[in-house]
Amino acid sequence: GGIITQTPKFLIGQEGQKLTLKCQQNFNHDTMYWYRQDSGKGLRLIYYSITENDLQKGDLSEGYDASREKKSSFSLTVTSAQKNEMAVFLCASSIAGLGQNTLYFGAGTRLSVL
Amino acid sequence: GDSVTQTEGQVTVSESKSLIINCTYSATSIAYPNLFWYVRYPGEGLQLLLKVITAGQKGSSRGFEATYNKETTSFHLQKASVQESDSAVYYCALSDSNSAGNKLTFGIGTRVLVRP
Repeated sequence: GGIITQTPKFLIGQEGQKLTLKCQQNFNHDTMYWYRQDSGKGLRLIYYSITENDLQKGDLSEGYDASREKKSSFSLTVTSAQKNEMAVFLCASSIAGLGQNTLYFGAGTRLSVL
Repeated sequence: GDSVTQTEGQVTVSESKSLIINCTYSATSIAYPNLFWYVRYPGEGLQLLLKVITAGQKGSSRGFEATYNKETTSFHLQKASVQESDSAVYYCALSDSNSAGNKLTFGIGTRVLVRP
């Protein structure tokens, strides 16, 4: 089995600050994802990367940048944190394919902006 | 756009009773959606419970079942007799079988509390 490690677990930022979340996987999966979860809402896709060096926008990409540094790692940057923003960011990975493959999720990074 | 609607809020059920969580989907841009149930148990990460990629088929896992009904665009999750260990948050989701990557569109999640 493998594991997805997200760092940090908790992130407290200031309004306007640039914040970076990191994700590592040892499944040797090609595809990685960043989702955001807000209270009372489902998970929403921010960015995904089908293979190393690929980057695709999801439904919620505005206000974020992403970087697939290597096959095993995928970072997400909040370009300007919004005051009172609170959300959980989930990283996931899967084998490459056409929609039917299982996503494996990390434990999440919980963001609070003061 | 594509969307998933599921039973909202919290469902409380007594141990050994039956459970159903409703899920309907709208896949206006997807000809052949794949359907999933993911679950997050307390203290654990989100994980796959079951999936069905062919209309008319049923998926099952851990005593749960869900049937992919294309006519009613539904994928309800059912269990005949729940246990305390089934207390968790359940998410219905869909993906596009014709799109590279396995992007999921999730429902809002349903919290299930099983009382002893």
